[in-house]
Amino acid sequence: RKEVEQDPGPFNVPEGATVAFNCTYSNSASQSFFWYRQDCRKEPKLLMSVYSSGNEDGRFTAQLNRASQYISLLIRDSKLSDSATYLCVVNLSGGSYIPTFGRGTSLIVHP
Amino acid sequence: DGGITQSPKYLFRKEGQNVTLSCEQNLNHDAMYWYRQDPGQGLRLIYYSQIVNDFQKGDIAEGYSVSREKKESFPLTVTSAQKNPTAFYLCASRRTGYGETQYFGPGTRLLVL
Repeated sequence: RKEVEQDPGPFNVPEGATVAFNCTYSNSASQSFFWYRQDCRKEPKLLMSVYSSGNEDGRFTAQLNRASQYISLLIRDSKLSDSATYLCVVNLSGGSYIPTFGRGTSLIVHP
Repeated sequence: DGGITQSPKYLFRKEGQNVTLSCEQNLNHDAMYWYRQDPGQGLRLIYYSQIVNDFQKGDIAEGYSVSREKKESFPLTVTSAQKNPTAFYLCASRRTGYGETQYFGPGTRLLVL
C-alpha cells in the first residue's frame, strides 16, 4: 500500500461547482498535513495546512480524519483559475522533517 | 525579495556527462531538499540537509551527489551513473520547527541529448 494515496482524476467540473478531494495515508503516526497546489510545469506552492479541528481559507476547506486516516480538501464556487494539480503532503513526527507527497489530483474547471 | 532560486531553468546533458543544478535561498532556512518529479508522478526525495556540512540520502540518491558548504546553497550534481536523469528537479527549503512547511524553487528541467 502506498504511504499517501490520491485519486489522480482528472476531476472535470463547471465553474461555480463544489468539488472535494480525499487523500489517505497509511502511517497512523503522521502528525502534520498539508495541501499544495501545482500548476503545469511549475513548482508546488503551499495552499493550506490541515489542522485537527479543520480549517477554512476563503473558498477552501481542509479537514483531517485521524480515525480513518485521510485528509480532504473542499473547493466551493470553483473558478477557472483553480485548475491545477493538488498535492497532499503528510509528515511523521520526530526530528527529521521528511514529508511524503501524494501523486496529486488533477482538477479542470471549465466554463 | 526573499526566496529560493534555481538555475538553470532548462539543462541539457550529454551521455556520460556530469551536470550540476544550482539551488540558493535567502530565507535563512536551515533545511534544504532536492526532489525529482517525473510526468504524472509525485515528488521523490533525492537528498536533504538539515544543517550546514551535513546531508542525508533520500529514497533515490543513487547517481546523485550534493554538498552543503553554506547555509544558503545546496547544489545537486547529476552524475553519469544516473541512467535516467530526464526529469523536473525541485529544490525546497524549510525553517525548522513544528508546523513549518517547505517552500519550493521554480525547478530545473533536465533533458538528456
